[in-house]
Parts: sequence; C-alpha cells; structure tokens
Amino acid sequence: EPEVTQTPSHQVTQMGQEVILRCVPISNHLYFYWYRQILGQKVEFLVSFYNNEISEKSEIFDDQFSVERPDGSNFTLKIRSTKLEDSAMYFCASSEAGDTQYFGPGTRLTVL
Amino acid sequence: AQSVTQPDIHITVSEGASLELRCNYSYGATPYLFWYVQSPGQGLQLLLKYFSGDTLVQGIKGFEAEFKRSQSSFNLRKPSVHWSDAAEYFCAVGAGTGGGADGLTFGKGTHLIIQP
Repeated sequence: EPEVTQTPSHQVTQMGQEVILRCVPISNHLYFYWYRQILGQKVEFLVSFYNNEISEKSEIFDDQFSVERPDGSNFTLKIRSTKLEDSAMYFCASSEAGDTQYFGPGTRLTVL
Repeated sequence: AQSVTQPDIHITVSEGASLELRCNYSYGATPYLFWYVQSPGQGLQLLLKYFSGDTLVQGIKGFEAEFKRSQSSFNLRKPSVHWSDAAEYFCAVGAGTGGGADGLTFGKGTHLIIQP
C-alpha cells in the first residue's frame, strides 16, 4: 500500500540554523500538508499546498517557514532560523482529492 | 472557528473489555470527521472517517464510530480491546465539500491504557 515517507526521522540542529524537512507524498495525490506536534500537545496544522502554491496557512506558519515542491515527488518544509520552540514532531500528509489525509511517520526536530 | 474536544485525557480499559472514546466537535456546516491512532514514536494512522451517509462507520482494527449531529459527537468504539490497542487516539475535523486544502483540526487526544 502506498504511503507517505519523511526524511530524516530525527534532526538535531543548533538554534539559528536552517533546516529542511523532506516528504515524499503518495504519488497520485494532489494536496500536501505540514503539521507539527509539540511534545505532549495536540497536532497543529501549519500549511497546505495545492497546484504548486500555498492554499492555506495557520498563524504558526510565519515568515520563518516556507514550503516547496522542488520536483514531481518531494515536498519540503524549510525553517530559516530555528528557535528552541520549533522543537517538535513534524508530520507531512497528502490527499488525493482534499478529503482524506494520509500522514507520514514524522520527523522529530530537536533545536539545541 | 472549528474545534474538537476529547474530554478524556487518559482511559484505562481491561483487555477484552469494550471501549468508547468521546469526541465532540464544533463546526458551522457538516464536517468531515476522522479518528487517527498514534502508537508511541509512530505517525498518525487513519482508523476511520465520516463524510456523509450512514452515521455508523466501520474502520480498521475492529473500530467503529457513530456520528450524531444532534450531539455534535463522533465517538469511537470497539467491542473488545486488545493489548495492541494501547496508543494515543486523536479525533479530527475537516471542512466539508470545497474545503479540500483546509487543514484538519485535532483534539488533544486520549491516551488509552490496556490492563491485562
């Protein structure tokens, strides 16, 4: 069964550094999403992407964040200058028709 | 704004007993409703979903959920739990038709503990 994959599984970075989290959505899916889950808290929506542009974004998704679909298979989340509070699990999700979202296993980001 | 409430932070159930996890939502129109399960260190796995039609939906692993519009609820049930069901369960709501790019709104989750 096709699934969403994410790399790396764990990323450790220093505060102020840039990080790029990578996702490979399910191949025929058209909608892509990023969520984060701070330890012990609920999953929060960051951004959705459709037709090569951002469709929706939450208030969390400020100018430090950007998303890109650099080729036909990858979907990336970039954090330009990481802060301690960016430490979280980041989930990528994809959807074929914008209804059911399938999640990847997540990338745990630790900012020191 | 839409919201999801899962009133039980922790639930402990004996193996073989029945289970019901509560979920209440707030949304202006008919929402899309989901239950996801997260095992320790794992991602979110879709258990089941409700879009329209029959208000009792069946999912994977023997789970079912019932949509009750009058109560704004979408409770998850399982007649007999197994030790492998121990996990975190999240209820989520999404926009209905036309809201394809909208993100899901999640509840805070219910941690399910299975006693032998």
